[in-house]
Amino acid sequence: GAVVSQHPSWVICKSGTSVKIECRSLDFQATTMFWYRQFPKQSLMLMATSNEGSKATYEQGVEKDKFLINHASLTLSTLTVTSAHPEDSSFYICSARDPSGRYEQYFGPGTRLTVT
Amino acid sequence: GNSVTQMEGPVTLSEEAFLTINCTYTATGYPSLFWYVQYPGEGLQLLLKATKADDKGSNKGFEATYRKETTSFHLEKGSVQVSDSAVYFCALVDSGNTPLVFGKGTRLSVIA
Repeated sequence: GAVVSQHPSWVICKSGTSVKIECRSLDFQATTMFWYRQFPKQSLMLMATSNEGSKATYEQGVEKDKFLINHASLTLSTLTVTSAHPEDSSFYICSARDPSGRYEQYFGPGTRLTVT
Repeated sequence: GNSVTQMEGPVTLSEEAFLTINCTYTATGYPSLFWYVQYPGEGLQLLLKATKADDKGSNKGFEATYRKETTSFHLEKGSVQVSDSAVYFCALVDSGNTPLVFGKGTRLSVIA
C-alpha cells in the first residue's frame, strides 16, 4: 500500500528557533499533499494544501509566514515552523493523495513538536 | 459546504461486544466516504472506504455501508477486541484536489 513518512517523529526546540518537518511519499508520486495540526484529544485541523511546483493554499487563520510550506518535488513536502513559540507545540500530520486511487489520502505517522 | 457529523465519544465496550459508530454527512455532490483509525501516538490509517451509494467497505472485521438515502456511513464491528481501542474518524471527499473533510473523531476504549 501507499506509504507516507515523516521526519522527525518528535522534536523539542527552544522558543524563537525554526523547525523543519519533512513529509515523503515513498512509493507513489503525490501532486497534492496536506498538512494538519492536531491538538490533544481533538480532530485534525487542516492547515494548508500543498501542490507540487506551486504555492501552498492556506486555510483561514493559518499564518503563511509562520508555517512555510514547500512542495519541491512529487515525493517531498516540507513544513517549517518559523520563530516557534510554546503555543505552536502540537502534533503535525501530513498526508498525500495517491493520484491513481479514488481520492484516498495516506497519512504520515505525525511529528510531535514541543517548544520550550 | 460539506460536513461530517459523528457520534461523540468516548465509547467504552467490553471485549467481544458489538460496535456501532454513527456517521452522517452533508455534501453537495457525490462524495467518497472513508473511515480512518488513529492509534495512540500515531498518524491516521485508512480503515475502509466506499465510493458510491450502496457500496460496502470492509476491513479487519469492520464494515460500513454508503447509504445515500440517509446520508450515512455507520461503522460496525461484530466483536471488538482490546486492540481496537483507538480514535475513529469518518471523512468524505468530493473531488480530486480537495482535502478530506473529517468528523470530530470518536474515541473507543475496549476493556477485557
